[in-house]
Amino acid sequence: DTEVTQTPKHLVMGMTNKKSLKCEQHMGHRAMYWYKQKAKKPPELMFVYSYEKLSINESVPSRFSPECPNSSLLNLHLHALQPEDSALYLCASSQSERGVNTEAFFGQGTRLTVV
Amino acid sequence: GQQVMQIPQYQHVQEGEDFTTYCNSSTTLSNIQWYKQRPGGHPVFLIQLVKSGEVKKQKRLTFQFGEAKKNSSLHITATQTTDVGTYFCAGLNSGGSNYKLTFGKGTLLTVNP
Repeated sequence: DTEVTQTPKHLVMGMTNKKSLKCEQHMGHRAMYWYKQKAKKPPELMFVYSYEKLSINESVPSRFSPECPNSSLLNLHLHALQPEDSALYLCASSQSERGVNTEAFFGQGTRLTVV
Repeated sequence: GQQVMQIPQYQHVQEGEDFTTYCNSSTTLSNIQWYKQRPGGHPVFLIQLVKSGEVKKQKRLTFQFGEAKKNSSLHITATQTTDVGTYFCAGLNSGGSNYKLTFGKGTLLTVNP
């Protein structure tokens, strides 16, 4: 199984809503990532988890809250988002976050619209 | 911080023509990776280059890593309509404690059949 599965594929939420994005991989990868991608832009790193511990937080606003319950799962909890947070949210995993084995496998993403 | 520049931003070719996209990093890279993202899709890993001066081929795709490990290129020979998409380079910084991938802005390739 070489897939990273993200749910939901599409999400529309109001600015007062609380929602969660979910990501799952069964490749035994120990690094997992959240990226945000706006239209016609490259993926922008938000968070890195390494061995289930938060390794990198790219100064992301606290309305985005990541969680790594175990080595296969990664969540992104959303609360009080703004319309400018509308984007494609990509989860990725890699064997490690350092050294050579860092090639990332991306999920299909969650297309988020904040209204 | 580390910056990865990628040119051109857009490239439109006739089917059968060649295509090249270039990446330049402001710092020496530990490795460089290339990804392809089809319209409406997600980035898909193509290849990783690690050694100085490395050249790798995948069918019609040729990837190069510069001697100084600060630049890279992807060349597609005889493009096909299936090559359409955005090609991103992504560099992994060398040294220090920062091991995050930095993506270039990407080159959007369109192919006229």
